[in-house]
Amino acid sequence: DAKTTQPPSMDCAEGRAANLPCNHSTISGNEYVYWYRQIHSQGPQYIIHGLKNNETNEMASLIITEDRKSSTLILPHATLRDTAVYYCIVRLPEGYGGATNKLIFGTGTLLAVQP
Amino acid sequence: GAVVSQHPSWVICKSGTSVKIECRSLDFQATTMFWYRQFPKQSLMLMATSNEGSKATYEQGVEKDKFLINHASLTLSTLTVTSAHPEDSSFYICSARDAGRNTIYFGEGSWLTVV
Repeated sequence: DAKTTQPPSMDCAEGRAANLPCNHSTISGNEYVYWYRQIHSQGPQYIIHGLKNNETNEMASLIITEDRKSSTLILPHATLRDTAVYYCIVRLPEGYGGATNKLIFGTGTLLAVQP
Repeated sequence: GAVVSQHPSWVICKSGTSVKIECRSLDFQATTMFWYRQFPKQSLMLMATSNEGSKATYEQGVEKDKFLINHASLTLSTLTVTSAHPEDSSFYICSARDAGRNTIYFGEGSWLTVV
């Protein structure tokens, strides 16, 4: 699986949009980009995933560049409860090349939402 | 949304005893589940992949005889830490693959303290 690079930490003012970048320059054409977050002392929470097109759900938007070498997770109106470590992970879909669909976590980005 | 539940949330056991942690997918069937361990201020480390009806696949460096995994049904996987020692104290997290949503969901985690 391709590796990802994220900044170790970011600050964001409450009510503002939080834009979290992720580089995945070695991503293959079949790998999806997944975002999870982990609030302190809890299990990771699924946020969103995408392949090529931008995606949006009730939690966030995912913007993937045309060359797919990077992506940005956008929390449109950050709140204090969004303070967490955000993980960007690339993963093959089921059955591709014998992939076991594992999620391998890097160090993520600690987003601190400031009041 | 999909829910994965772990039990117990926390457990304290004596050194040398064994402890079992359960992971259940509540609203989908999971042929594949994953077990992670997380030490303070570190990222999640994948321990093993649990496959329904077959043996688990362990990551390099994880002792299969110490961390017994059973995945007897499509909604339940268990991790048993055998002959636990204080260094096994950690946050153990399971996840389950929802093939229908092409997504992996995580449990709330289980805190193990070995005294």
